[in-house]
Amino acid sequence: GAVVSQHPSRVICKSGTSVKIECRSLDFQATTMFWYRQFPKQSLMLMATSNEGSKATYEQGVEKDKFLINHASLTLSTLTVTSAHPEDSSFYICSARGTGITGELFFGEGSRLTVL
Amino acid sequence: DAKTTQPPSMDCAEGRAANLPCNHSTISGNEYVYWYRQIHSQGPQYIIHGLKNNETNEMASLIITEDRKSSTLILPHATLRDTAVYYCIVRPRDSGSRLTFGEGTQLTVNP
Repeated sequence: GAVVSQHPSRVICKSGTSVKIECRSLDFQATTMFWYRQFPKQSLMLMATSNEGSKATYEQGVEKDKFLINHASLTLSTLTVTSAHPEDSSFYICSARGTGITGELFFGEGSRLTVL
Repeated sequence: DAKTTQPPSMDCAEGRAANLPCNHSTISGNEYVYWYRQIHSQGPQYIIHGLKNNETNEMASLIITEDRKSSTLILPHATLRDTAVYYCIVRPRDSGSRLTFGEGTQLTVNP
């Protein structure tokens, strides 16, 4: 199946700093990418939909100024957590759908953010 | 997306078939049934999807009832590595459609 890669897989940062997480589609072009957040023992929560070359669409309750999403190319989307706080500590997961792939989404390995 | 209902947890003996049920009584005619699973601390993994016919691939089989209101994911010979949370999702197949996750079923395969 198609491969989606996230980097970094783990990151620890101090409160108040910003952290960037990258999501890459390695063997296909992704016109749409999705970002999820998952807290311990909970299901995945969709944060935003990212379309190449346009602004991301955020789900209700997700602060667009805090979670900056950029989808500048067909193979890369980035999520920047700005001014991170301990409550932003979570597992962040991206998924992507390609232009030639219908139906199934492919997910990255996830990035675990810990804010001290 | 149509709401799905899954049991919160199930157990299965290693080597036996695991049958995971999903109810989706409000499914629309253009919505497919998708199954994903998530092994602890990993991203979700696509398993299988279907519209109305039963489907089989190298990972699993998907049985959809004739009225499409429920389905069953079958892992024919469960292994310890199949221990994961299994998510049943119904949604249209178009390229822009979001994928929203319910609570899923925690399948534990016991030795």
